[in-house]
Amino acid sequence: EDKVVQSPLSLVVHEGDTVTLNCSYEVTNFRSLLWYKQEKKAPTFLFMLTSSGIEKKSGRLSSILDKKELFSILNITATQTGDSAVYLCAVGEGGSEKLVFGKGTKLTVNP
Amino acid sequence: GAVVSQHPSWVICKSGTSVKIECRSLDFQATTMFWYRQFPKQSLMLMATSNEGSKATYEQGVEKDKFLINHASLTLSTLTVTSAHPEDSSFYICSAREGGRAKNIQYFGAGTRLSVL
Repeated sequence: EDKVVQSPLSLVVHEGDTVTLNCSYEVTNFRSLLWYKQEKKAPTFLFMLTSSGIEKKSGRLSSILDKKELFSILNITATQTGDSAVYLCAVGEGGSEKLVFGKGTKLTVNP
Repeated sequence: GAVVSQHPSWVICKSGTSVKIECRSLDFQATTMFWYRQFPKQSLMLMATSNEGSKATYEQGVEKDKFLINHASLTLSTLTVTSAHPEDSSFYICSAREGGRAKNIQYFGAGTRLSVL
């Protein structure tokens, strides 16, 4: 059965800290891995990763995929209180349109 | 771009009544939309995949007669919770998949909180 595991489940840091969120997966036929940020309501899309070793970057956020070791990390540098959210990792399988979501990492950034 | 609108954002209903939730892709055509349910502090659980012009594909354990899905156009899918009961109270979120190069990216609506009294 496909599985997506995120760690840690929750994390509390101070503004300015750098955080690394982890996502490991087991799928039959990997196609892509996606990161979303969920604040109060709708998850918003951050990154889609399909190739190993190629970093995707957007401002203070970056992510990379390791298809050999079956994991991805999401880095946030110089965290701000507005980064507080649940970060969801999802994996898509070839031949399917579905995404399998992890349970998420709840990040709290304190001032 | 890639905006998905979901309505209503919150609904309270009496037990036994039916509730319809709409999901619209505002600036793109979505041949496929997805309906999820999210319990507190849990992740998104896929309920069904909705394909324009054909029957929805339901995940195991989801009652198709209870959760009716209609995807009549490339920009609109609806979920009707029929004869709702308190155990159906939950947060329901839809997403739409944009075609083309970004095929596997799903864009989410803001969700609907359903409270059944």
